[in-house]
Parts: sequence; structure tokens; C-alpha cells
Amino acid sequence: EVQLVESGGGLVQPGRSMKLSCAASGFTFNNYDMAWVCQAPKKGLEWVATISYDGSSTYYRDSVKGRFTISRDNAKSTLYLQMDSLRSEDTATYYCARQRGITTWYFDFWGPGTMVTVSS
Amino acid sequence: DVVMTQTPVSLSVSLGGQTSISCRSSQSLVHSDGNTYLYWYLQKPGQSPQLLIYKVSNRFSGVPDRFSGSGSGTDFTLKISRVEPEDLGVYYCYQGTHYPYTFGAGTKLELK
Repeated sequence: EVQLVESGGGLVQPGRSMKLSCAASGFTFNNYDMAWVCQAPKKGLEWVATISYDGSSTYYRDSVKGRFTISRDNAKSTLYLQMDSLRSEDTATYYCARQRGITTWYFDFWGPGTMVTVSS
Repeated sequence: DVVMTQTPVSLSVSLGGQTSISCRSSQSLVHSDGNTYLYWYLQKPGQSPQLLIYKVSNRFSGVPDRFSGSGSGTDFTLKISRVEPEDLGVYYCYQGTHYPYTFGAGTKLELK
């Protein structure tokens, strides 16, 4: 059974940093691209970042470029999201998701999410 | 970015009834490879999204045949037949044709 479990969320002040983790199990982690998708309170879903199966390629939505860094440790089957220079508009639940597709991207399994609140 | 517009915003349905959700994209979702990368997700209350339909009309593993997707180009529909309590939640369409890939704002399905 595919399992994704996020951790590391919480309350953080604007301008500070936070690192999210996602522990994966139930599948061969290093065979899959992975992604972070966020959902602001009472809002819809937004793709945040993607990393290729081997970590050689990364992609970001414009609003987080230069502030967020996606990475992975295939030996530990763990995905990360380093979030720097946080803003109030980054407040959201962050989901780790297994990504599928080559000429397309979609997400077939999601974790339960971890909430990040950026506030002073 | 491609804008995905879902209608209605919310929907009331009786158990055992039938309903449909519309999703319209601001650009054609036909990819240069000939495929149309339109997906549907359901987010049940308090849960993360789950994949229902991929490439317009294909049900993901374990999804009952009460769910069916259709459409082409810029207009797509998710139909739910014989609605059951576990079908309630927010439905999102998602396009994987034009980067950056985008979700619709969601349609909330509630009990009448």
C-alpha cells in the first residue's frame, strides 16, 4: 500500500524558514517523480514544486521560485521542501504527492498533508 | 496559465440520484502528442484529494463505475450516478497539458 506522511509544519513568522518532510513507503521511491501541492485555507489546490526520480531536475511555480527548494533522499525514501523567506500568502496545507506521467504530470497518491501558518 | 472554470460552485443531490459537474478550460487541452490530459479528483471532508479519472474518461484503480468522465477540447463533464454518502466532498478538475498545470476551483457536492 502506498503511504506518504508529511511532517514539519507549524507556525512560523514571516521572513523565517521551515523544512517539510515526506516519508514514503509501499512503493519503489526512486522510480517516481514527486511533488508538493498546497491548499490555502478554504481555497483550491495549487501545484508548488516537482523533483525528478533521481533528483537531477526540479521545477517550481513562479511564486516560490528562489524561495523554496525541493529535494529528496532516495536512500531514506524521503521528500523535502525547504521554505525560506516565508510570506503570509504561503499559509496552506502542503501535500506530498506521487507524480506520474512523462508528457503530462498528474498525482496518483497524496499524503494527509501538513499545515503551515505564516504569521507574526 | 490555463484557467479551469468549474460549474456549479456547489451542488445538492439526493442519495441514489445522478448529477454532473462541468469543467471548462481557457485553452484546448489537446496535447501535441494527441492526448487530452484532463483529470478529476475528489477531496472528501478532512482528507487529501484522491484521483478519480485520468485522461478525460479513464477510471483510476478502485473507482466505481458510477463515475464517468467525458468531453473534448475545452469542455469536460464528470457524471456521478447512484450517488452514495462517500461521494460527498469537493471535486476538482485538473489539466496536465499546458505547463504550469492547474486545478479548477472546485465543486462542492452536498446532500439535499
